[in-house]
Amino acid sequence: GQQLNQSPQSMFIQEGEDVSMNCTSSSIFNTWLWYKQDPGEGPVLLIALYKAGELTSNGRLTAQFGITRKDSFLNISASIPSDVGIYFCAGRGGYSGGSNYKLTFGKGTLLTVNP
Amino acid sequence: GAGVSQSPSNKVTEKGKDVELRCDPISGHTALYWYRQSLGQGLEFLIYFQGNSAPDKSGLPSDRFSAERTGGSVSTLTIQRTQQEDSAVYLCASSPLAGVHNEQFFGPGTRLTVL
Repeated sequence: GQQLNQSPQSMFIQEGEDVSMNCTSSSIFNTWLWYKQDPGEGPVLLIALYKAGELTSNGRLTAQFGITRKDSFLNISASIPSDVGIYFCAGRGGYSGGSNYKLTFGKGTLLTVNP
Repeated sequence: GAGVSQSPSNKVTEKGKDVELRCDPISGHTALYWYRQSLGQGLEFLIYFQGNSAPDKSGLPSDRFSAERTGGSVSTLTIQRTQQEDSAVYLCASSPLAGVHNEQFFGPGTRLTVL
């Protein structure tokens, strides 16, 4: 099946630092999504990207949809302790046989913020 | 609350027993999805419902897994003759419809442990 390569697997940073993580795929996706998951909770949608090259911000978060539609990155500026959690990228549709509903997830980036 | 709810939150069972996991989607959402999250992994698609029908069951790992949805609302995922490799967090999501701009909202999940 389709796979997304997400990196880094984990990050340990100091409060106030900026963070960057990314996802790549060998296949094209029509939509890229970024989710955050807190312990014991389901993923919560942070940012949705629908157009190649699109750059979207949500507060301190910024994400971009790669021009080739095979990659995306997420930046978090001025990190705070509540940014701790697992960040997942997900892609939908676009590749041969791809559906307009099934999400393919990366394995996640575990972010730890030291106060 | 108005979010997706799942029950039970935790389930411990013995190998060989059957289990039922329940999902209550957001009211009015016609599309419902089940995913499985194994330790340290991203989410793996299991099945998709549109109303009460399941047009895509391609992610169900074996014939021990089945799911149904009644009244266009509540869904139940059943695992028969559970195995230790079934241990995972089972997440349910719903969306107003399926497709672009109809993003999926996740429940908190059911953590299944098979002894």
